[in-house]
Amino acid sequence: RKEVEQDPGPFNVPEGATVAFNCTYSNSASQSFFWYRQDCRKEPKLLMSVYSSGNEDGRFTAQLNRASQYISLLIRDSKLSDSATYLCVVNMFTDMRFGAGTRLTVKP
Amino acid sequence: DAGVIQSPRHEVTEMGQEVTLRCKPISGHDYLFWYRQTMMRGLELLIYFNNNVPIDDSGMPEDRFSAKMPNASFSTLKIQPSEPRDSAVYFCASRPTDSNQPQHFGDGTRLSIL
Repeated sequence: RKEVEQDPGPFNVPEGATVAFNCTYSNSASQSFFWYRQDCRKEPKLLMSVYSSGNEDGRFTAQLNRASQYISLLIRDSKLSDSATYLCVVNMFTDMRFGAGTRLTVKP
Repeated sequence: DAGVIQSPRHEVTEMGQEVTLRCKPISGHDYLFWYRQTMMRGLELLIYFNNNVPIDDSGMPEDRFSAKMPNASFSTLKIQPSEPRDSAVYFCASRPTDSNQPQHFGDGTRLSIL
């Protein structure tokens, strides 16, 4: 079993749609969690951290469920510029484990 | 503030040649990571350093790969001899001591071995 698993997609949604990604992790001792965004031929960039109580940043909402060992990302009112690959990242003390990423394409 | 700086941005060379990739982490970050990304295998951690000391190199594919960090502001990843299957994007990332902080990535080096 992979340490961090994501649905690879692709997700193809129209503008304005709401889309959700899930990610599961295997190590219950994992400390911190993040969502990164990667555009084609670019480096991964931090989108947001994920806190136990859940957190929101504009149209983006992240949730963490430690008991079930999964995290989620919700994007509301999706924009064309949201098209990218979204990487789930789990921090285990000394290094991070990246999911394979979920490809999102938002269409007009 | 300057982010993680990698050079070169692109490298094209013939198989058998030595390739050296360079990275300058963000000042004050004492963890440095080298990753490789391909379509087939995604993002793979090759090696990481803490305070200039290699901590885990289990991701280094084979002896042809080596990495050094002679000081807190510079690291190299070397491939000798290079092979076509080494073609990938190589990223360097750094983060502070606090393990709850995220990593910050450089722009990457796009390597093509002919």
